[in-house]
Amino acid sequence: GAVVSQHPSRVICKSGTSVKIECRSLDFQATTMFWYRQFPKQSLMLMATSNEGSKATYEQGVEKDKFLINHASLTLSTLTVTSAHPEDSSFYICSAILRLSGNTIYFGEGSWLTVV
Amino acid sequence: RKEVEQDPGPFNVPEGATVAFNCTYSNSASQSFFWYRQDCRKEPKLLMSVYSSGNEDGRFTAQLNRASQYISLLIRDSKLSDSATYLCVVNNGGNMLTFGGGTRLMVKP
Repeated sequence: GAVVSQHPSRVICKSGTSVKIECRSLDFQATTMFWYRQFPKQSLMLMATSNEGSKATYEQGVEKDKFLINHASLTLSTLTVTSAHPEDSSFYICSAILRLSGNTIYFGEGSWLTVV
Repeated sequence: RKEVEQDPGPFNVPEGATVAFNCTYSNSASQSFFWYRQDCRKEPKLLMSVYSSGNEDGRFTAQLNRASQYISLLIRDSKLSDSATYLCVVNNGGNMLTFGGGTRLMVKP
């Protein structure tokens, strides 16, 4: 079964609106989660590292005011794409580390965002 | 030079064939290595970790060559269901992963 759950799996929003994506660790606590973005036919690119109880760490070139990350609990991190534009349309994936399985990283199912 | 490099393919092979992918990494201090499989429009899923001594899981064999800084994945007796993109993933420490661009495999009847 899924170890990390992501919701929604698909979302279509209008340009200028905001959309929130949730990432949950199931049956384990994740102090750190990671958010990736993947454009068609490209590799996953790390956007930010989400830390429970503190500010997220963003990768170079990722606008922290546009991609708001909140990690308010040990099982939930959220990514909010604010004032979305069509170029933000992408596949967004989160991941978390399950330490009991040898620090294996598991991914959520991913969220397809289409901004129209 | 990219941190983790893979031949994007596609590798088109017939069912039953043996196919091998290589992946090179630039950071000699890299600590752990993985192969993930990603199906179209889905999330990556761990296929296997890669150990210095090499490891095998059924039809899949992974090897690590630290001296030459590459890892390999060998798939024997290819199945149609093996068609996917195979991602080479390197951990440089601190739980940070770097992904290769992926190698696309297409197994045909």
